[in-house]
Amino acid sequence: AQSVTQLDSHVSVSEGTPVLLRCNYSSSYSPSLFWYVQHPNKGLQLLLKYTSAATLVKGINGFEAEFKKSETSFHLTKPSAHMSDAAEYFCVVSDGTRRNNNDMRFGAGTRLTVKP
Amino acid sequence: DTAVSQTPKYLVTQMGNDKSIKCEQNLGHDTMYWYKQDSKKFLKIMFSYNNKELIINETVPNRFSPKSPDKAHLNLHINSLELGDSAVYFCASSRRGTPGVWGYTFGSGTRLTVV
Repeated sequence: AQSVTQLDSHVSVSEGTPVLLRCNYSSSYSPSLFWYVQHPNKGLQLLLKYTSAATLVKGINGFEAEFKKSETSFHLTKPSAHMSDAAEYFCVVSDGTRRNNNDMRFGAGTRLTVKP
Repeated sequence: DTAVSQTPKYLVTQMGNDKSIKCEQNLGHDTMYWYKQDSKKFLKIMFSYNNKELIINETVPNRFSPKSPDKAHLNLHINSLELGDSAVYFCASSRRGTPGVWGYTFGSGTRLTVV
């Protein structure tokens, strides 16, 4: 079965500095990987997804993530943080098998704080 | 237009009551889900329905029952509410059999507080 680990429960950055949110996964098959963002008291919004195409994936709001199979990682980055990026971020893995193709595993989340 | 809509947004109720949360999607998706998010933000799948067939039931107490009158709706009914049921419940939908390709579309959540 697949699993995902978000290495930091909380990340704090200053506005204008780079953002790095770390995610490692475990999967028996070729995984699909996603990042979702949840702003306070809001639902989850898809930021970007990797589904075995280009390993560097660009998402909305300037975020991107790189799939590194050798490191089993899918870290989320952004060159310059904005105050509006403050939110909870979830890394999600799906192992993509026909049997389990409705099985998406969420990480525990990383809370991003952006300081002025 | 809202793609996945849940009602109510907030629900405060007493222990022992029975309540329902409604979910509707207008995306033409074939599969719908219910997730529970606890106070630590951990998301756990409860149910998914594909063409009115239950696919996943992750050890959820039988006080919880999903009801799907058609593929655009998946309502969550909870009997005999307990304090530990307090959480945010998210509805989601995906194209049939391919959430691993397209991901989910989530509703905005229902914050349930049991007092």
